[in-house]
Amino acid sequence: GAVVSQHPSRVICKSGTSVKIECRSLDFQATTMFWYRQFPKKSLMLMATSNEGSKATYEQGVEKDKFLINHASLTLSTLTVTSAHPEDSSFYICSAREGWTEAFFGQGTRLTVV
Amino acid sequence: AQTVTQSQPEMSVQEAETVTLSCTYDTSESDYYLFWYKQPPSRQMILVIRQEAYKQQNATENRFSVNFQKAAKSFSLKISDSQLGDAAMYFCAYQYGSGNTGKLIFGQGTTLQVKP
Repeated sequence: GAVVSQHPSRVICKSGTSVKIECRSLDFQATTMFWYRQFPKKSLMLMATSNEGSKATYEQGVEKDKFLINHASLTLSTLTVTSAHPEDSSFYICSAREGWTEAFFGQGTRLTVV
Repeated sequence: AQTVTQSQPEMSVQEAETVTLSCTYDTSESDYYLFWYKQPPSRQMILVIRQEAYKQQNATENRFSVNFQKAAKSFSLKISDSQLGDAAMYFCAYQYGSGNTGKLIFGQGTTLQVKP
């Protein structure tokens, strides 16, 4: 299957700082990328959907000014958690899709805000 | 609103036996995809099987098969000859919308334990 690379796999940041997570499709053009948040032993909660070259569509309840998503190219999307707080600590997962096919997932990023 | 429901938080099966995981969904769409994903302890999401809504034939991938009942909006996963490596969290997922705007949403997940 197609490969999606997500970095970093783990990150610890201080409260009030920003952290950027990258999601790259390595062998296909990701026309659509999704960003999810997952709490331990819970489901994946869709945060936003982004299409290359256009603004991301955020789900209800997700603060767009706090979770900045950029999908500037067909192979890269980034999620920036701005002014991070301990309650933002979570596991973030990206997935990417070319056209109307199945989505492939990155390895996830465990964010810890101290 | 589209929703996906997995009513079994945990399931267990004896090695080499068969187990069925349940999933129901709610939608007014006629064209969509359904998926089962596996998430092992590494937390890497792995696609197990997919089903296009317009296809009446149930999808099969080796030991994995689905029972797709479109009218009942049911999409269960059957794992035959269960193996220890099948132990994981399984998510049912629904993809709707057209072209690049389709969303992919997940059920609550079912943790599968495989007993030796």
